[in-house]
Amino acid sequence: EPEVTQTPSHQVTQMGQEVILRCVPISNHLYFYWYRQILGQKVEFLVSFYNNEISEKSEIFDDQFSVERPDGSNFTLKIRSTKLEDSAMYFCASSEPGQGSTDTQYFGPGTRLTVL
Amino acid sequence: GQQLNQSPQSMFIQEGEDVSMNCTSSSIFNTWLWYKQDPGEGPVLLIALYKAGELTSNGRLTAQFGITRKDSFLNISASIPSDVGIYFCAGRWTPSGSRLTFGEGTQLTVNP
Repeated sequence: EPEVTQTPSHQVTQMGQEVILRCVPISNHLYFYWYRQILGQKVEFLVSFYNNEISEKSEIFDDQFSVERPDGSNFTLKIRSTKLEDSAMYFCASSEPGQGSTDTQYFGPGTRLTVL
Repeated sequence: GQQLNQSPQSMFIQEGEDVSMNCTSSSIFNTWLWYKQDPGEGPVLLIALYKAGELTSNGRLTAQFGITRKDSFLNISASIPSDVGIYFCAGRWTPSGSRLTFGEGTQLTVNP
């Protein structure tokens, strides 16, 4: 069964450093998302991406964050200058094209980001 | 923003028992989803609901989309040890976009 994959599974970085989290969405999906989950808390929406542009973003997704689809298979989340409070699990998700209100988001296994 | 209240926060049950959990919202959604998350893993979709009043089953799992569009419940029948995990509801109001709003989760423990 097709699945969303993410690398790395765990990233440790120093405060102020840039990190890039990578995702390979399900191959025929055209809608891509990033969510994060701080330890012990609920999953929170960051950003959605369609047709090579951001379609929606939350208040969490400030100027320190950016997303990119550099090629036909990868979808990345960049954090320019990490802060301690960026430590969380980051989940990529994707959904099928053209489903409108019935599209279902499938999640990857996550990248655990630890900022020291 | 939209808030989902999920209850209970945690449940401790014996194997074989039935389980029920629910989510309520102060605003309406047109999609309700139920996910299960194992430790260190991403959420795995269990059931998707797209119409008010819809009742959908997936094996021992049954979920309903409330008529008011402000609530949903998930039932698990005849629980087994592998049902252990955190269950999240998630809602979406597509006129506002495609973002999912998640509940706080229900931690389920099943004692064999």
